[in-house]
Amino acid sequence: EVQLLESGGGLVQPGGSLRLFCAASGFTFSNYAMNWVRQAPGKGLEWVSVIIGSGGTTHYADSVKGRFTISRDNSKNTLYLQMNSLRVEDTAVYYCAKISAIGSYYHAFDIWGQGTMVTVSS
Amino acid sequence: SYVLTQPPSVSVAPGQTATITCGGNNIGSKSVHWYQQRPGQAPVVVVYDDSDRPSGIPERFSGSNSGNTATLTISRVEAGDEADYYCQVWDSSSDHVVFGGGTKLTVL
Repeated sequence: EVQLLESGGGLVQPGGSLRLFCAASGFTFSNYAMNWVRQAPGKGLEWVSVIIGSGGTTHYADSVKGRFTISRDNSKNTLYLQMNSLRVEDTAVYYCAKISAIGSYYHAFDIWGQGTMVTVSS
Repeated sequence: SYVLTQPPSVSVAPGQTATITCGGNNIGSKSVHWYQQRPGQAPVVVVYDDSDRPSGIPERFSGSNSGNTATLTISRVEAGDEADYYCQVWDSSSDHVVFGGGTKLTVL
């Protein structure tokens, strides 16, 4: 079964750091670009970042660029999101999501994790 | 940056047809994907590449895309279709994924 499982969320103070994890199973992880998408409480979906299968290319939303870093370890089938200089407005459920087609950015997200909650508050 | 505009809400009676629009500049030149999100759950793709349906998605869900508007159509609406729906594209000019603001579908 194709599955994504996020972890690492929690409560952190403004200015702090947190690292999110997304464990993948059931597919050849290194073949697919992976994304992080977040959803603030009661709000819509907001794309955060994408990384291609090899890990060599990444892109970020303007709201997180310079503060967040996406990475992956294909030997461990794991996607990461390092979040630094966290702000109250970063509070959200963070989902990892798999691109449906090999070697693509623009195809749909066919598999989503269940999400992990990040709360930034003093 | 590229913007996708959806109506905040759409209401429809059971058995009727729901139409959810997604507006964007020349969106017809992009591939549009649609997601359904029920409360407390992760999103699920219901239409991809403008008009294709993943396996397991009922034929009642269909999509189209032309000019400045993409459309998700849900025929013979059921109570279980009540959810938030989001359109999404890849904006190659900015290398960003863009989501619409979402539309809450209410089944009366």
